[in-house]
Amino acid sequence: DIQMTQSPSSLSASVGDRVTITCRASQTISTYLNWYQQRPGKAPKLLIYAASSLQSGVPSRFSGSGSGTDFTLTISSLQPEDFATYFCQQSYMTPNTFGQGTQLEIK
Amino acid sequence: EVQLLESGGGLVQPGGSLRLSCGASGFSISSFAMGWVRQAPGKGLECVSGFSGSGGTTYYADSVKGRFTISRDDSKNTLYLLLNSLRTEDTAVYYCATNPSRRYFDYWGQGTLVTVAS
Repeated sequence: DIQMTQSPSSLSASVGDRVTITCRASQTISTYLNWYQQRPGKAPKLLIYAASSLQSGVPSRFSGSGSGTDFTLTISSLQPEDFATYFCQQSYMTPNTFGQGTQLEIK
Repeated sequence: EVQLLESGGGLVQPGGSLRLSCGASGFSISSFAMGWVRQAPGKGLECVSGFSGSGGTTYYADSVKGRFTISRDDSKNTLYLLLNSLRTEDTAVYYCATNPSRRYFDYWGQGTLVTVAS
């Protein structure tokens, strides 16, 4: 299975900050990389698919980049509703696998 | 509007069985790939099983292969996951989700909790 490693595991930031989360795959996955946001007690929500495509309805402050093995999710200016846990997921190979998550907390 | 509604979770003893259902509305499940993703308490996400849209191809995580069975009833527009030989490590919230072209999960249900304990 392809291992997905996110960093950092947790992050404290303030409203208005620019934040970057990194995801690394154990082998090349081209751009078959997706990002999800999960708030406590809720289902994950798709933010970015195919590494850099913004899902419909997702604010433009979210962006994704990368290819091969290294990917980033950037939030350009944190809003209060952005404090949540973020997961990356590879869909290059079955079984699809997720990163362990990055918990974004209010500083 | 696409909606997914899971049901069937509950408390079951180790070795027991449950059948989870995922009722869909706003689209036809026969036209879309769909999957089940689970999340153990306080843990990450795991793709458990999936179904391609039209071809009927299925896949299972190694951790559930031989114990879980995915199926669907197109007439009821419902996806199922039969969980047999349950283990304590199967305790999780189980989500169904649409999985277009098996590339990402875009619509999710609210989840149903399965607790395996004696």
